[in-house]
Amino acid sequence: QEKVQQSPESLIVPEGAMSSLNCTFSNSASQSIWWYQQHPGKGPEALISIFSNGNKKEGRLTVYLNRASLHVSLHIRDSQPSDSAVYLCAVSHRGSALGRLHFGAGTQLIVIP
Amino acid sequence: EAAVTQSPRNKVTVTGGNVTLSCRQTNSHNYMYWYRQDTGHGLRLIHYSYGAGNLQIGDVPDGYKATRTTQEDFFLLLELASPSQTSLYFCASSDWGGSSYEQYFGPGTRLTVL
Repeated sequence: QEKVQQSPESLIVPEGAMSSLNCTFSNSASQSIWWYQQHPGKGPEALISIFSNGNKKEGRLTVYLNRASLHVSLHIRDSQPSDSAVYLCAVSHRGSALGRLHFGAGTQLIVIP
Repeated sequence: EAAVTQSPRNKVTVTGGNVTLSCRQTNSHNYMYWYRQDTGHGLRLIHYSYGAGNLQIGDVPDGYKATRTTQEDFFLLLELASPSQTSLYFCASSDWGGSSYEQYFGPGTRLTVL
């Protein structure tokens, strides 16, 4: 069974700073890695995904994937108070039945104005 | 826009009670999922389905039944609720997007078992 671990558990940054979140997974056959954002009282919402080794940039978000070290990171440039939320890392497997995802426990990000 | 709705949004029941959580998606997605979310555990998959009448067992199925009556509707049944099933429940739907499945989540149902 895939194990997905996230660090840190919580992160507090000032407005305008870079936020860096980490995720490690256990299965080298992992296919895609997703980052979801969850605000209080809401369901998770997909932010960005990465399939290929390397990096992917979308707006203020950059994701780095290193399959050799089974590690993926999410970086949020110019963090805003509205970015305050729980961030979930999720991993899917090549050939996985029905597109199921394996989730980490999340990182609580707090951006101080 | 993708839409997943859940009902009820909040539910309180007693130990041994019977509970049904409902989920409807209007995304025309084939796949639907039920998760529970608890502090320190993240999202854990209970049951999932790839179409009406189909049911697959997830990672934490004990004490739960599920039924997919149509492409749109997926139900989670707790026939003898226990306090350990107090949790936040999410339903999601997805379909193949080329290289992966993006899951769209509902707003959640908070269940308390006294």
